[in-house]
Amino acid sequence: GAVVSQHPSWVICKSGTSVKIECRSLDFQATTMFWYRQFPKQSLMLMATSNEGSKATYEQGVEKDKFLINHASLTLSTLTVTSAHPEDSSFYICSARTSGSRNEQFFGPGTRLTVL
Amino acid sequence: AQTVTQSQPEMSVQEAETVTLSCTYDTSESDYYLFWYKQPPSRQMILVIRQEAYKQQNATENRFSVNFQKAAKSFSLKISDSQLGDAAMYFCAQFGNEKLTFGTGTRLTIIP
Repeated sequence: GAVVSQHPSWVICKSGTSVKIECRSLDFQATTMFWYRQFPKQSLMLMATSNEGSKATYEQGVEKDKFLINHASLTLSTLTVTSAHPEDSSFYICSARTSGSRNEQFFGPGTRLTVL
Repeated sequence: AQTVTQSQPEMSVQEAETVTLSCTYDTSESDYYLFWYKQPPSRQMILVIRQEAYKQQNATENRFSVNFQKAAKSFSLKISDSQLGDAAMYFCAQFGNEKLTFGTGTRLTIIP
C-alpha cells in the first residue's frame, strides 16, 4: 500500500513553454502533498506544501507564479512550471501523507525535467 | 528553523562489514521525528528507519539501527552486514513544524 505515482517520469521541453507534472496517491487519500526539487548530487529542497482544496504554501524563495500547484482532489496534485527556462531543469519529487499520519510521507518516483 | 547536517559526503564499507553514517540536527520543536531515507540510482526515496523523539529506545529495522542521542541532537545510522544492495545515497531528515528537512546526504559505496 501507500503508493505514489508521478507522470511523466521525464520530460524535455523548449524554453518558454509550460510543463505540468502530476502526482497521484494510488491507494490512499492524501490530504497533504509536498513538492520537492533536487539538483544533481544535492539534497531535496521543499518547494511547497499543498492541502486538498486550499492554496499551496510556498517556501521562501520559491516563485508561486512560476511554480503553480493545484491540489484539486484527495488523490491528485499538479505542479505546473510556467515559462520554463534552462535553470528550471531539475528532478522534481512529490510526496503525500494522510490525515491520520502526520509525520509519514510517501514519495513518488520523481520527474526529470530538462528545458532546452 | 530546522537544520540537518551530514558531515560525511561519501563513505565506503566492505561487504558484510558494519558502517555508521552520522547526522546531527537542530530544532526548537519539542515534538519531532527523525528519519533515514535511502535513494538508490533509480532516485526513488525509500524509508529506511524512523525514530520518534519522545522515545528513548533506539529504533531498529533488521540490519539497520540508529543511535539517537537527543541531548546531543545526534542521530546516526548503523548498517550491519552490509550488502551490495545497500549502495545508495542516504539522507537524514527531520520532521517538525509540519515539514520535512533533509540533510545533504552521504553516498555509500559497498566494496565487494
